[in-house]
Amino acid sequence: GQNIDQPTEMTATEGAIVQINCTYQTSGFNGLFWYQQHAGEAPTFLSYNVLDGLEEKGRFSSFLSRSKGYSYLLLKELQMKDSASYLCAVRGGNTPLVFGKGTRLSVIA
Amino acid sequence: DSGVTQTPKHLITATGQRVTLRCSPRSGDLSVYWYQQSLDQGLQFLIQYYNGEERAKGNILERFSAQQFPDLHSELNLSSLELGDSALYFCASSERTGPEQYFGPGTRLTVT
Repeated sequence: GQNIDQPTEMTATEGAIVQINCTYQTSGFNGLFWYQQHAGEAPTFLSYNVLDGLEEKGRFSSFLSRSKGYSYLLLKELQMKDSASYLCAVRGGNTPLVFGKGTRLSVIA
Repeated sequence: DSGVTQTPKHLITATGQRVTLRCSPRSGDLSVYWYQQSLDQGLQFLIQYYNGEERAKGNILERFSAQQFPDLHSELNLSSLELGDSALYFCASSERTGPEQYFGPGTRLTVT
């Protein structure tokens, strides 16, 4: 089976940097995804890692270590609109995405 | 706007009833996925269809069923509804080769 852990809530200050961690256990591995979800809205795709290392996309970066079953999402220059839930999801060998319960990020002034 | 459409946006019904949720994927996407999101469980995968055929099944109850039609739209049927079925139901679609899933706006189901 698959198990995904991420912190339930985090708070950070506008303009700062925040790192949201995700650890996972999966049989087979075919990619790790990060999605952003504002309350009551659809998840939107942020990043995809299938190889070890850092993927950078503007203010957002995502890191993956397959040997450690670990990923993080790094958000720089935080803005109030970044207040949302961030969902870590893993795709196993032949299974669709399994999502973690999400990390609710609050950005404060 | 992801290009995935879902109807209805909101649905309120009573226990024991049956409802049908509808999803139209992005143009050209052959895969459709259904998810249930409740406050305490997070986003739970229910079922996937690819070009009209069931591809994968997750934690879908026997009271729930789905299908994908030749025009690629999909319907999720929920029957003998219980209070615990109240949730947001999302549909997502993906390209054949790409990893990303595009989510629709969801249907909020309230069972009273």
